[in-house]
Amino acid sequence: GAVVSQHPSWVICKSGTSVKIECRSLDFQATTMFWYRQFPKQSLMLMATSNEGSKATYEQGVEKDKFLINHASLTLSTLTVTSAHPEDSSFYICSATRTSGFYNEQFFGPGTRLTVL
Amino acid sequence: ILNVEQSPQSLHVQEGDSTNFTCSFPSSNFYALHWYRWETAKSPEALFVMTLNGDEKKKGRISATLNTKEGYSYLYIKGSQPEDSATYLCAFATSGSRLTFGEGTQLTVNP
Repeated sequence: GAVVSQHPSWVICKSGTSVKIECRSLDFQATTMFWYRQFPKQSLMLMATSNEGSKATYEQGVEKDKFLINHASLTLSTLTVTSAHPEDSSFYICSATRTSGFYNEQFFGPGTRLTVL
Repeated sequence: ILNVEQSPQSLHVQEGDSTNFTCSFPSSNFYALHWYRWETAKSPEALFVMTLNGDEKKKGRISATLNTKEGYSYLYIKGSQPEDSATYLCAFATSGSRLTFGEGTQLTVNP
């Protein structure tokens, strides 16, 4: 159990277009989902925390109008990169939490490679 | 800004060798320390969640120790196999689910 899927696994788009990435928890209900970004040779960096039915909480330096997060159900969160530019090219990965004991385990999707031309 | 450091950045070992890597993290406001194993094109897989100083956890040939007072954790792999080749990530939590990751240690096990 505890499988998280992400779609698409990779996407190439032109500068100025918007790209939507889906994150789904397949066999459990996720109280919270997280979105991370990883640039080459760097660590996973938290972008935002998403709770079902409420506005996402963004980390400092992450533009909320550029990275739109929608968490419409307990199994689906979406990240939309609006008006993408080459500097947005990165690896985006989501995680979903499931409470286990006193801490919330995070289960990760396989990630999405975004390339903006 | 929390600083989580992992060393070495990469490691090449021969099949059968035992190996270990280090994760350093702030010693204050500790909540939990996570280890993940991440194979290329797959999802990071949770190995251990460690919460108590002195914790030792084991899963098959992989084990981990935790020292929260000095801010480090070791991950050990005994008798490395080619299928152990992956990037090993540690992540530090000060509360709840919010994780700060290290850059990872990339392990390659040569047959």
